[in-house]
Amino acid sequence: SQTIHQWPATLVQPVGSPLSLECTVEGTSNPNLYWYRQAAGRGLQLLFYSVGIGQISSEVPQNLSASRPQDRQFILSSKKLLLSDSGFYLCAWSARGGSYEQYFGPGTRLTVT
Amino acid sequence: GIQVEQSPPDLILQEGANSTLRCNFSDSVNNLQWFHQNPWGQLINLFYIPSGTKQNGRLSATTVATERYSLLYISSSQTTDSGVYFCAVFTNAGKSTFGDGTTLTVKP
Repeated sequence: SQTIHQWPATLVQPVGSPLSLECTVEGTSNPNLYWYRQAAGRGLQLLFYSVGIGQISSEVPQNLSASRPQDRQFILSSKKLLLSDSGFYLCAWSARGGSYEQYFGPGTRLTVT
Repeated sequence: GIQVEQSPPDLILQEGANSTLRCNFSDSVNNLQWFHQNPWGQLINLFYIPSGTKQNGRLSATTVATERYSLLYISSSQTTDSGVYFCAVFTNAGKSTFGDGTTLTVKP
């Protein structure tokens, strides 16, 4: 069966510090991968999606970037965090060429102080 | 872009009651999913339902794609049903839009 991992689970970082969040998927090949952010009390906003290694599409202009160095690894980064980057970050995957049904990881709760 | 509206925003029920949550969307979609977000933030897949009706235990969902809405039914609600229910629509492999959710509180 497929599983999706995210780490760390929680993170507190000062303003101006760098960020690296990691997401890995097991049990499937060539997945579509997604990064979402959820602000408190709101729905999820799609940040990035990837259909293959090195292929990243950005949905909103922001202080963040994403990379996909391996087929089942998706990384969310920032060089300098802003207070507004605080939130709950979720990674998801869907099968390539399938129904696009998405499955979510446990999330990372980021607080920028 | 596509708009997704969920109603009601908040719902308080007594244990054992039934409820209906609604999701309206503004354009044709390839995929529609219902999720339950638990208190720890985990999104649990409830239904993948671009059209038609599905049932899973006490939960069922219906999507009428031609009229651009979906309904989630919860029968005989339990306290463990509490949390936020999200509807999400997907127009292709990358483009997704989530509603703002319905926060359900089931009281014992």
